[in-house]
Amino acid sequence: AQSVTQLGSHVSVSEGALVLLRCNYSSSVPPYLFWYVQYPNQGLQLLLKYTSAATLVKGINGFEAEFKKSETSFHLTKPSAHMSDAAEYFCAVNIEAGGGADGLTFGKGTHLIIQP
Amino acid sequence: DTAVSQTPKYLVTQMGNDKSIKCEQNLGHDTMYWYKQDSKKFLKIMFSYNNKELIINETVPNRFSPKSPDKAHLNLHINSLELGDSAVYFCASSQVPNEQYFGPGTRLTVT
Repeated sequence: AQSVTQLGSHVSVSEGALVLLRCNYSSSVPPYLFWYVQYPNQGLQLLLKYTSAATLVKGINGFEAEFKKSETSFHLTKPSAHMSDAAEYFCAVNIEAGGGADGLTFGKGTHLIIQP
Repeated sequence: DTAVSQTPKYLVTQMGNDKSIKCEQNLGHDTMYWYKQDSKKFLKIMFSYNNKELIINETVPNRFSPKSPDKAHLNLHINSLELGDSAVYFCASSQVPNEQYFGPGTRLTVT
């Protein structure tokens, strides 16, 4: 069964500093991997996705992630943090449900705090 | 235009009541889902439907019953509500195996 582990329930960085949010996955088949962001009292918005094409994936708002099969990782980075990046971030892997309805298994989330 | 919409946004009710949450998507997707987010923000899939057919049915009490009248709608009916049902419920849709688009959520509070 697929699973995702996000290291660090809270990450605090200074404005302008590098953002690094860690995600490791476990999957018996080549995975599809996703990063979602959730702002307070809102739904989830897709940041980026890996679907077996390029291993370095660029997303919205300056975020990117690199798929590393040897490390079973899909860490999210942003070179320079902005105050508006403060939110909850979720890494997810697709569930091989068959029947054409793959759900997602989510990590427990990382709360990103931006210090002024 | 809202891609995935849910009603209501907030739902406060007493234990033992029956309630429904409605979800609609205008993206033309074949697959729709219900997820539950608990107070610690952990997200877990409950159900998925593909072309109105139930595909995923996680370990969810049978008090929860999804209904998909057509591809664009997936409703969630909950019988005999319990305190532990308090959570945020998210609807999502996708064109498998691509990304899922989430609705704004319904915050259910059971008192």
